[in-house]
Amino acid sequence: AQSVAQPEDQVNVAEGNPLTVKCTYSVSGNPYLFWYVQYPNRGLQFLLKYITGDNLVKGSYGFEAEFNKSQTSFHLKKPSALVSDSALYFCAVRDDTGRRALTFGSGTRLQVQP
Amino acid sequence: DAGVIQSPRHEVTEMGQEVTLRCKPISGHDYLFWYRQTMMRGLELLIYFNNNVPIDDSGMPEDRFSAKMPNASFSTLKIQPSEPRDSAVYFCASSFSRVGAYEQYFGPGTRLTVT
Repeated sequence: AQSVAQPEDQVNVAEGNPLTVKCTYSVSGNPYLFWYVQYPNRGLQFLLKYITGDNLVKGSYGFEAEFNKSQTSFHLKKPSALVSDSALYFCAVRDDTGRRALTFGSGTRLQVQP
Repeated sequence: DAGVIQSPRHEVTEMGQEVTLRCKPISGHDYLFWYRQTMMRGLELLIYFNNNVPIDDSGMPEDRFSAKMPNASFSTLKIQPSEPRDSAVYFCASSFSRVGAYEQYFGPGTRLTVT
């Protein structure tokens, strides 16, 4: 069975400071990893993914994430936070078999203070 | 690109009534997923289709729930009879089968309230 842990329910950061939202995963075989963002009363919006290749992946809106196989982590980062980044962030995983289902973490609320 | 389209956006119904949620995936996508989001359980996969065929329905809560995909551009999720515990936001998502293009694109969701 695959699982995702997002250990922080909420992350608070000041505008202009770097941000990190943590994610660890468990999966049989090779992981495919994803980050999504959800704004109030909206659907989930795809930010970035790791399938293979470079461990540092870049995505939308200046976000990036680092895949660390030994620590089974895929933390989301951004060098300089914006107030508009305040939202709910979900990490998701699937394995490299044919099954397409994603398993989502519980979500981390990011609050960026002006 | 219009993205994934869901209707209705909000549905309020009484316990025991039938509810039908609708989804139009992104054109050309051949996978379609139905999820449910609640505060208590987070995001749960209910069922997914590939080329209109149900592949995995292990997340469907019980026989009151059914899903169909009669063609590549339309899917329905039906709850009959509905119960208050079915109150949630239901999302439809679609994706493309091309190798590496595994991300799913979500619709805006249908907020269902069963009283």
